[in-house]
Amino acid sequence: TQLLEQSPQFLSIQEGENLTVYCNSSSVFSSLQWYRQEPGEGPVLLVTVVTGGEVKKLKRLTFQFGDARKDSSLHITAAQPGDTGLYLCAGGGGQAGTALIFGKGTTLSVSS
Amino acid sequence: NAGVTQTPKFRILKIGQSMTLQCAQDMNHNYMYWYRQDPGMGLKLIYYSVGAGITDKGEVPNGYNVSRSTTEDFPLRLELAAPSQTSVYFCASGTTGLNQPQHFGDGTRLSIL
Repeated sequence: TQLLEQSPQFLSIQEGENLTVYCNSSSVFSSLQWYRQEPGEGPVLLVTVVTGGEVKKLKRLTFQFGDARKDSSLHITAAQPGDTGLYLCAGGGGQAGTALIFGKGTTLSVSS
Repeated sequence: NAGVTQTPKFRILKIGQSMTLQCAQDMNHNYMYWYRQDPGMGLKLIYYSVGAGITDKGEVPNGYNVSRSTTEDFPLRLELAAPSQTSVYFCASGTTGLNQPQHFGDGTRLSIL
């Protein structure tokens, strides 16, 4: 059974700080997706990474896929209160017929 | 620009009652999904559909049923509600492949007392 472990589970920081969230597995994934979920809403896709070592940037957010495609990280620079939410990673299997595996998420709280 | 629409947003049921959670998407997506989200547990796949008339079980299907008569609609049925089914339910849709990005609705918060 493929599992995705996210760490830390909770993170509470001040506005302006930097942070990194991790998504790790012992399994290889064909792709890794990151979603953000705000209270009372559904998850919203932030990015998909598909190539080992790939780095994608979305404004102050930097996403990296590990070289072996078993792990990923999300780095936020100069966090803002609007970054508050639940961050979920989801791994795609090697075949199109394999359902996404979701991590349990990291809850981020950024206070001003 | 509706995307994925779920109704109702909130519901309280008594043990043993039944209900249907509605989900509709207007993006012409073939793939649709139902998940449940419990605190600290991430998203668990209940059922999915790869097109009208085709459904299949996910990780936690017991106690639920689905149907897919049209591309747009994918209702989830609870026949005999149990306290263990208290959760937030999300419907999602996608274009190609079960491992591809998904668009989520805003969820139905269900409490069973």
